[in-house]
Amino acid sequence: QSVLAQPPSASGSPGQSVTISCTGTYNDIGTYDFVSWFQHHPGRAPKVIIYDVSKRRSGVPDRFSASKSGYTASLTVSGLQAEDEADYYCSSYSGNNNYVFGTGTKVTVL
Amino acid sequence: EDQLVESGGDLVQPGGSLRLSCVASGFTLRSHWMHWVRQVPGEGLISVSRIDRDETNTRYADFVRGRFTISRDDATNTLHLQMNSLRVEDTGTYYCARDRLFFIDLWGQGTTVAVSS
Repeated sequence: QSVLAQPPSASGSPGQSVTISCTGTYNDIGTYDFVSWFQHHPGRAPKVIIYDVSKRRSGVPDRFSASKSGYTASLTVSGLQAEDEADYYCSSYSGNNNYVFGTGTKVTVL
Repeated sequence: EDQLVESGGDLVQPGGSLRLSCVASGFTLRSHWMHWVRQVPGEGLISVSRIDRDETNTRYADFVRGRFTISRDDATNTLHLQMNSLRVEDTGTYYCARDRLFFIDLWGQGTTVAVSS
């Protein structure tokens, strides 16, 4: 089973913001500042957009931002655009080269 | 451009076997820890197996241990996952993924395994 809990869906109109939460435990998000987020358009390879909690990968628009507090990480997409409609997953390092992943959130642009 | 391309997914009966492959281009597999991750619709992602750079350290999720084997062919720069004694619950899309030290930085597009009678 996926260990990190995410809301199944989120939505917003173009230009609005959506925030996705990702809740783990002491053993992952609570201990390590190695949370990443990736965007997945079905049928394509998932694309990492955030790593190390809040660092954007090269080429990722600054509309994407992320943070962490306690056992919960969050991804915010500001100024929603049609191409942002996708599934978003979080992931956390959990020690010994192991990772845990989220349940995924489907973002819909209304 | 670094890329991972999986293949080998298929429809198979319970108890059957499959061998998944993941060809890497743009980089050398042996320079990285590599993972296989399974996606099940509605359930998210779960780590299935991983292998270290030296192939001396492999890890398997409890639900596949003893049935799946991860390996690497350096000559062809290919990661494999041998899947034996397949169960219905092994159904899903399998991704190979590259470890960039504390985060997975590259994913393939996935290959779909369906186990059904």
